[in-house]
Amino acid sequence: DAGVIQSPRHEVTEMGQEVTLRCKPISGHDYLFWYRQTMMRGLELLIYFNNNVPIDDSGMPEDRFSAKMPNASFSTLKIQPSEPRDSAVYFCASSSYRPGQGAGSPLHFGNGTRLTVT
Amino acid sequence: AQKITQTQPGMFVQEKEAVTLDCTYDTSDQSYGLFWYKQPSSGEMIFLIYQGSYDEQNATEGRYSLNFQKARKSANLVISASQLGDSAMYFCAMRDHTGFQKLVFGTGTRLLVSP
Repeated sequence: DAGVIQSPRHEVTEMGQEVTLRCKPISGHDYLFWYRQTMMRGLELLIYFNNNVPIDDSGMPEDRFSAKMPNASFSTLKIQPSEPRDSAVYFCASSSYRPGQGAGSPLHFGNGTRLTVT
Repeated sequence: AQKITQTQPGMFVQEKEAVTLDCTYDTSDQSYGLFWYKQPSSGEMIFLIYQGSYDEQNATEGRYSLNFQKARKSANLVISASQLGDSAMYFCAMRDHTGFQKLVFGTGTRLLVSP
């Protein structure tokens, strides 16, 4: 069974350029998460979706960041314009929730996109 | 608000020995879940083990076990018979009902296993 697939693995761009990160969740998972990892701030949740609907975007740093999930098998995280402080590893993760499962469903992570903004 | 604390930035252990990685948490919810993830130098996040707040037994998965002390709000990861491949960052994470499905992560502990 394929895991969460992210692309690209690495992205190097210049300040001011638009960056689009892509994610394909595990089939059948109804939750999708975007996290950012930096040395300074650790793993931060940016936004998450349930059944393609954004539930909590309070972690999105500013209006330069936007995320969409047009269907159950695809999500994008866009940064426009990009800045050097956006350099980080961006992870997409997915999970499923079933009644009775309580808090127990783990998040399954993609391999991440390492973004470098010069 | 949910909070996860990992106070050990780094730990060293010799191969074949056991090691405990500490994790304390704070939540006002009665129903919550605790998770441990491993992040090797290659960067991927690997799910290791889960403990539910109502689980009476400590969770175990192979060489991994979770020492869950609810009254102390701690969920320490125990790795038995350490192997060189266990060298990695280890993250503790929590989900409670106030946060719906999201996981909040601690700052991580870097484990180095020496021969």
